[in-house]
Amino acid sequence: GQNIDQPTEMTATEGAIVQINCTYQTSGFNGLFWYQQHAGEAPTFLSYNVLDGLEEKGRFSSFLSRSKGYSYLLLKELQMKDSASYLCAAVKAAGNKLTFGGGTRVLVKP
Amino acid sequence: DVKVTQSSRYLVKRTGEKVFLECVQDMDHENMFWYRQDPGLGLRLIYFSYDVKMKEKGDIPEGYSVSREKKERFSLILESASTNQTSMYLCASSLADPLSGNTIYFGEGSWLTVV
Repeated sequence: GQNIDQPTEMTATEGAIVQINCTYQTSGFNGLFWYQQHAGEAPTFLSYNVLDGLEEKGRFSSFLSRSKGYSYLLLKELQMKDSASYLCAAVKAAGNKLTFGGGTRVLVKP
Repeated sequence: DVKVTQSSRYLVKRTGEKVFLECVQDMDHENMFWYRQDPGLGLRLIYFSYDVKMKEKGDIPEGYSVSREKKERFSLILESASTNQTSMYLCASSLADPLSGNTIYFGEGSWLTVV
């Protein structure tokens, strides 16, 4: 089965760093996505990890440990516009469908 | 840019009505998906389709059906709407193999209220 857990809400200060953790128990797991979703808008793609390790894209980085069933999204130099929900999603090797966690709402304060 | 278009952003329907939510994508994607999103529950997969006239149940298919007569169009049907189907519905599409890093692209969402 699939069970994906991430914190419900996090608060951080502008300019700071925030790390959003995601744990999963997905049979046949083959990759992990992170999406950003602003209120009332569609989710937009941030990152996709298949192999263990850290992938960096500007202010955003994503890490995956397949053996631990664990990923995190790291947001650096936080800006007010980063206030959004961040969705962790696992993809199975077969079926091509994503299973999402409940999302983490990040609030950036001045 | 990939574009996934959902025909209605906001709908209000009565209990028992038949509801159609339409989704069109313009990138010749094989896979199309319907999710619903509820506070605290995240996105839950209702149905998906990996080819024309093909469909598979997702995690919460009860009360819904789908239709994929053309590759670019995937419709979600609520045969008899109920108040517990009040939600935000998201359509998405992707190439056949997301494992290569191809992402899933989402539409803007359709907010359905059943009264």
